[in-house]
Amino acid sequence: GESVGLHLPTLSVQEGDNSIINCAYSNSASDYFIWYKQESGKGPQFIIDIRSNMDKRQGQRVTVLLNKTVKHLSLQIAATQPGDSAVYFCAEQYPGNQFYFGTGTSLTVIP
Amino acid sequence: EPEVTQTPSHQVTQMGQEVILRCVPISNHLYFYWYRQILGQKVEFLVSFYNNEISEKSEIFDDQFSVERPDGSNFTLKIRSTKLEDSAMYFCASSGRSSGANVLTFGAGSRLTVL
Repeated sequence: GESVGLHLPTLSVQEGDNSIINCAYSNSASDYFIWYKQESGKGPQFIIDIRSNMDKRQGQRVTVLLNKTVKHLSLQIAATQPGDSAVYFCAEQYPGNQFYFGTGTSLTVIP
Repeated sequence: EPEVTQTPSHQVTQMGQEVILRCVPISNHLYFYWYRQILGQKVEFLVSFYNNEISEKSEIFDDQFSVERPDGSNFTLKIRSTKLEDSAMYFCASSGRSSGANVLTFGAGSRLTVL
C-alpha cells in the first residue's frame, strides 16, 4: 500500500533553537493529518492536527504546515526544550477511518 | 484528562500460546483500534472496530488475531497462537467524533515478548 515516510530519521538541535521535522505522504486522497510525539516507553501522544483544506495550523510552540501540491507535511517546534526530545510521527488518514503512520524522526535536544 | 488504559503492561509468553491484551477506551468514544510497533520501527495499523464489528483490518491482522468488545468498557485483542514475530508493543487507541476531528488517543501500550 501507499506509505507515509520521513526525510530524516534523526535530528539534533540545540536547546532554544527551532526544530523542523518533515514528512512526505503518498496518498493524495488523505484528508486529515496528525503529528504524534512518542516518548520512550509511552504511547504516541497527540500534538497537532490539520485538515486538507488548510495549509497551516498553529498550536502552543508548534506549527504544522501542509503542502498538498508536493504531498509534504512539516512540524515546526519553536524554542525547542529538552522535554521535546522524543520520536515524532506523522500520520495520515485515508478516506474512511484508517490511519497510517510514518517511520518516525528521533529528535534530540542538546542542552 | 480521559485516558486509554491497557493491561498488562508487559507479558512474556511461550511460542504457540494464546495471549489476550486488554484495553479500556475512553468512555464516550465510538471507534477503537489496535496498532503494533516492533522495536525501533513504525507504528503499524492492525484493526479498527466500530459498532461492535471490525470496520477495517490490515494484512497483519490474519486469522490468528481477533478482537472483541465483551462488555461496555473493555476492548480486547487476542492472538490465538503466538509466533516469535508477534513480539512488539501493542497499542490500543480510541477516537470520538467532534467538530470533524478524529484524533486517536493512545494507551501506554502492552509489551508482548514471545519466547
